[in-house]
Amino acid sequence: GIQVEQSPPDLILQEGANSTLRCNFSDSVNNLQWFHQNPWGQLINLFYIPSGTKQNGRLSATTVATERYSLLYISSSQTTDSGVYFCAVARTDSWGKLQFGAGTQVVVTP
Amino acid sequence: SAVISQKPSRDICQRGTSLTIQCQVDSQVTMMFWYRQQPGQSLTLIATANQGSEATYESGFVIDKFPISRPNLTFSTLTVSNMSPEDSSIYLCSVVGRLETSGKETQYFGPGTRLLVL
Repeated sequence: GIQVEQSPPDLILQEGANSTLRCNFSDSVNNLQWFHQNPWGQLINLFYIPSGTKQNGRLSATTVATERYSLLYISSSQTTDSGVYFCAVARTDSWGKLQFGAGTQVVVTP
Repeated sequence: SAVISQKPSRDICQRGTSLTIQCQVDSQVTMMFWYRQQPGQSLTLIATANQGSEATYESGFVIDKFPISRPNLTFSTLTVSNMSPEDSSIYLCSVVGRLETSGKETQYFGPGTRLLVL
C-alpha cells in the first residue's frame, strides 16, 4: 500500500504563530485530503487537494503531486486549531479508500 | 454536505459479546466505508459497505469478525463480534457525497462510536 509520512509528529504553538505541516506519500494519488480531528474526536475535512493550492481562511494547502508531498499552512493560530491534523491519500482506482498518515498533534497555547 | 449520524455514540461492553453500530446519512451517497481508530493511533479502513451485496474487506479484517450490512444508499451497520479488549477503538462511518454547490465529490466522516471492551 501507499506509505504516508507526516511531520512533525507534535507541534506546540503560541497563539498567533504560523506553522507548516508536511505530508509525504510514496505513490501517485488522485485523492489527497487534509483533516482536523478536534479534541472531542470529530474529524473535519479541511481540504481535498490532489494538486495545486487552496486557501480557506487562515488555512491553506499546497500539493506538489510530481514530488509527492503536500503542505498545510496554519496562519495566526488560535487555540481552536488544537487537535490532530491528518493527511490521507487514495489511488486512482480507490477514491474513497483512504490511507491515513500518523498525524501531527498540534497544541496552541494562549 | 452530507450529515452523518452514528448510534451508539459510545458503549462499554464485556468481552465475548457483540455490538452493532448504525450509520445513517441524510442523503443518498455512492460510497460508504467503515474505519477504525485505535487509541492514540491513526485511522485504518476496515471495509467498503456495498449496497445490496457483501462488503469488501481490507487486509487484516474479515467478515466473521466485522459483518457489515448496507440495505440501501443511506444506511449501514457494522457489527463487532466476539469482542476482546483489543477491539476498544473509535469506529467511524465515512461517505462520499456530492456537494450541491460545486458538484464535486467530497468525503465526510461520522462522529464516531467510542467502544471500550472490558
